[in-house]
Amino acid sequence: QVQLVQSGAEVKKPGASVKVSCKASGYTFTSYGISWVRQAPGQGLEWMGWISAYNGNTNYAQKLQGRVTMTTDTSTSTAYMELRSLRSDDTAVYYCARDFTMVQEWDYWGQGTLVTVSS
Amino acid sequence: QSALTQPASVSGSPGQSITISCTGTSSDVGSYNLVSWYQQHPGKAPKLMIYEVSKRPSGVSNRFSGSKSGNTASLTISGLQAEDEADYYCCSYAGSSTHVVFGGGTKLTVL
Repeated sequence: QVQLVQSGAEVKKPGASVKVSCKASGYTFTSYGISWVRQAPGQGLEWMGWISAYNGNTNYAQKLQGRVTMTTDTSTSTAYMELRSLRSDDTAVYYCARDFTMVQEWDYWGQGTLVTVSS
Repeated sequence: QSALTQPASVSGSPGQSITISCTGTSSDVGSYNLVSWYQQHPGKAPKLMIYEVSKRPSGVSNRFSGSKSGNTASLTISGLQAEDEADYYCCSYAGSSTHVVFGGGTKLTVL
């Protein structure tokens, strides 16, 4: 069965970086894209970006351009999202999700990773 | 402020039907038949309920249906059940620059 398993919770100081992993199983990793979506406490969903697991092409949300990098390791079927220069308003649960239509529609989601940014 | 507008809350009694609207613009909902809906229970990851406006993934109850007219998409849940109580988010593809826009979410209460 398809599963996306994310790395554990993180606590970071303002200005630091965080790298969240998302290990896929149960399907051919390179046949789909992976998107990252975050949710601040008590807030709605926010799309962060997308990466093709086939060729590594990326698209990022304009507000995060320059601070976010998404990568994949096809040898381990793992996607990564790195966010730099963390601020308090980056505190959120970060989700990876499989893009099954390749136009930003997601049929499987990871369990979420809480990233807390606090001094 | 979210790009797509949803009502903050809706409610209904068991067995009733409710509809959640999702209003965008001609740059997103109005231009693409790529509206999806997600259900989220507290503390859980979102779950895909509808994609491409009206398609249901396997395993999703046929009590859930989607539609679109102009710049507004809608999710209808018929035969409300207690387990349907959750937050619902709409999402639309918005072209190669913006890519994706979400609604602010609607809290469904089953009375």
